[in-house]
Amino acid sequence: DQQVKQNSPSLSVQEGRISILNCDYTNSMFDYFLWYKKYPAEGPTFLISISSIKDKNEDGRFTVFLNKSAKHLSLHIVPSQPGDSAVYFCAAPNMEIAGNMLTFGGGTRLMVKP
Amino acid sequence: DTGVSQDPRHKITKRGQNVTFRCDPISEHNRLYWYRQTLGQGPEFLTYFQNEAQLEKSRLLSDRFSAERPKGSFSTLEIQRTEQGDSAMYLCASSFGLSGQGAIGYGYTFGSGTRLTVV
Repeated sequence: DQQVKQNSPSLSVQEGRISILNCDYTNSMFDYFLWYKKYPAEGPTFLISISSIKDKNEDGRFTVFLNKSAKHLSLHIVPSQPGDSAVYFCAAPNMEIAGNMLTFGGGTRLMVKP
Repeated sequence: DTGVSQDPRHKITKRGQNVTFRCDPISEHNRLYWYRQTLGQGPEFLTYFQNEAQLEKSRLLSDRFSAERPKGSFSTLEIQRTEQGDSAMYLCASSFGLSGQGAIGYGYTFGSGTRLTVV
């Protein structure tokens, strides 16, 4: 039962262009979402989050959009830089359980070409 | 504080052997998590400690797996009688949260993981 899905395993964009990474979820109880970035041989690092009371959150070049009715969120990176090349995971915490363990999507590998 | 440390970084073992991994969380973090990541998948939750108490275990954590966090500091994850299907990256994460309350996920800090290969 994949409650968080990232349907694009990879994405390739040109430096300077916009990268759009998508994520869908099925559990309507999820009300907070996070994006993590992972380089090879490193653990995931937190990138940006969004609460369900918002439909947009922006942090520098990174913007996350949330469409609750569609159970869909997306991460926009603009402009994309070669250093953004990594695997990106969307995740949602289970806020009803102490510990709030995260449910992750399968990840999207972003490649930004110089 | 250098973040969450995991040891070893890599482990190759023969099928049937036991292995133990160690995680040293950020010192002021009272919550500790173990996740497992296989190739092409996102991390999957295994178990959670609040201080020294193991409060949640995933059904992925078979009886061959055991985790401890003595004194609420470092944690160990042991896999007995390893199988090839245990080959994965084992990630440890820590965060701070008050008992009975939620903690926003961005408080997680992950370690670099232990890559286990069972041959």
